[in-house]
Amino acid sequence: DTGVSQDPRHKITKRGQNVTFRCDPISEHNRLYWYRQTLGQGPEFLTYFQNEAQLEKSRLLSDRFSAERPKGSFSTLEIQRTEQGDSAMYLCASSLARVGYTFGSGTRLTVV
Amino acid sequence: DQQVKQNSPSLSVQEGRISILNCDYTNSMFDYFLWYKKYPAEGPTFLISISSIKDKNEDGRFTVFLNKSAKHLSLHIVPSQPGDSAVYFCAALPGANNLFFGTGTRLTVIP
Repeated sequence: DTGVSQDPRHKITKRGQNVTFRCDPISEHNRLYWYRQTLGQGPEFLTYFQNEAQLEKSRLLSDRFSAERPKGSFSTLEIQRTEQGDSAMYLCASSLARVGYTFGSGTRLTVV
Repeated sequence: DQQVKQNSPSLSVQEGRISILNCDYTNSMFDYFLWYKKYPAEGPTFLISISSIKDKNEDGRFTVFLNKSAKHLSLHIVPSQPGDSAVYFCAALPGANNLFFGTGTRLTVIP
């Protein structure tokens, strides 16, 4: 068990391009979360999956964002038509219970 | 609306002394409070939590105190070690599944 794995670690993209990030949670964890962290701020909740079901979505998750967890294992977060305001660290976390997530190291997105 | 607030962006403490990190919240529906530690280029690491029905939880050098009437919690680290230098985030759960984080306090432990 190597913890929560996120790929890529860094992504630079041009404004208007689509990007996709992947998260592999700890294998026995049925809960998976996506958060976004901008400079000087704490992480902000984006969405939550229990197994393959997306149960909660934040208002931050605009229609340009979509997340999936097709077989209840890994998850992807796609951002369409990226904007400079999307530049942030995207963090994935997983857990068995509501308390005490394990976070991955994040994907740092830079939109130029 | 920042429901969890950490008003001190930074704190410096001598090695061996106590570090006290503070956090205030506004939402009385929070039922769990957590502290996370973050090193550069890594995700946050869970440190310690406390249920809203308790006022203290201790784990080794780390103790979290909760004052519900004041909507305030604090993390005490005793004794502080240079390896404790990191950004510390306070977070809270509102009975749902999404954590609300504060903006973090950067702790520097001076050898």
